[in-house]
Parts: sequence; C-alpha cells; structure tokens
Amino acid sequence: DTGVSQNPRHKITKRGQNVTFRCDPISEHNRLYWYRQTLGQGPEFLTYFQNEAQLEKSRLLSDRFSAERPKGSFSTLEIQRTEQGDSAMYLCASSRRGRGSSYEQYFGPGTRLTVT
Amino acid sequence: AQSVTQPDIHITVSEGASLELRCNYSYGATPYLFWYVQSPGQGLQLLLKYFSGDTLVQGIKGFEAEFKRSQSSFNLRKPSVHWSDAAEYFCAVGAPSGTYKYIFGTGTRLKVLA
Repeated sequence: DTGVSQNPRHKITKRGQNVTFRCDPISEHNRLYWYRQTLGQGPEFLTYFQNEAQLEKSRLLSDRFSAERPKGSFSTLEIQRTEQGDSAMYLCASSRRGRGSSYEQYFGPGTRLTVT
Repeated sequence: AQSVTQPDIHITVSEGASLELRCNYSYGATPYLFWYVQSPGQGLQLLLKYFSGDTLVQGIKGFEAEFKRSQSSFNLRKPSVHWSDAAEYFCAVGAPSGTYKYIFGTGTRLKVLA
C-alpha cells in the first residue's frame, strides 16, 4: 500500500492556460474521487469514478473541467482556460468497493494550483 | 440540505490540556461520520470513523469521538493535547449508499501553546 499519489504537487499557470493533474489511487481501490479545497474551506466534492465510469459530477465542475479514468487506474483532471477563481488545492481520494470498514476514503497530498 | 457545521474556526489550547472540537450535521438518514486532520501543505489523514454500533469510537493519536444521534453531533475529544496536534481538523459525513461521497465542514484550526 503505497498510498494515493498526485502530480504535480504545485502548479503555477497564467490565466487562460490549460492544466492537467494526475492521480494514482491505491492499486486495489476501484472508487476514485476528486475534491477542491479553497483557502479556509473544507474540501468540496467535484466528481466520482467507479472503475472507469464517471458516475457523478458536482455543479462545481463547469464545462471547462474534465476528468477521466482510463482503464480504471489513474485519473486525470484537466482545467481549460484557467481563471483566477480556479486557484485551489485539488485533492484526490480513493476507496475500496463495498460497505463498512472498506468505505473510508484515502486522500493524496493534493495539487496546489495558482492561477496568475 | 445536507451540511456539516464546525462552529469553531479557531481553537487555542495549552499543551497538556483537554480538547473538544464540535461537529454538527444535517442529513436525512444516519450518515457515516469521519474526522480528518490536515497539517500545512499536506493531504487529509483519517483520525477516526463511525459507521454503526458503539457510539464512542477510538481513533489514532489518542483521539476519540462520540456520536449523539439526538443532537446530530459527532464531537472529537482528546484528554491531553500535544504540541504536534496543531493542525486543521475536518469533520465529514459520508453518504451511506450510492457514491459514498463526503461533505466536509469548514474546519477548525487548532493552535497549541507550549
């Protein structure tokens, strides 16, 4: 169990540019989540994958955002035409399929995005 | 609407003192309940969780939490705080079905005085 990893850890970009983040979940976890955390706030749910299927998207996920999880392994989150309001920490989490003790989510260290 | 409230934005305690962080939730059914801790620049680490059964749950680092259904609360406690406990603490509720996604509170930042 090597934990959830995210790359890059930090990204600075200019307004209008596109950025892509990657998340590698714990290997046997089939559920994957993306959250966004802005300064002084708790994380907010963005989207959820079960295997390769994207099953839920939050209203926070505008048309400029797209997420994929090809082959049900790693996931990418792309933001097109970034805006200053996109500056945040983007957190990825994964969990096993099932209920009870297998339900908890394990979080990665996050990718901090700064849009200038 | 589903929500989590952490009424204390900041809490300062002296090292060795006891600690209680409050968490109240609004949810249609009994959700799964969690406490996470986040150190600066780090991801979230799970402290403890409640799914069902005994309403007093023990977690890591000497933390415990008590689920009170009548008060819709899940307060976090520690009998003696260490300087290394300084961090931000988040309460979360998880949907007990479907996507199992979390709803987080806004967090409580804990400062520990030496």
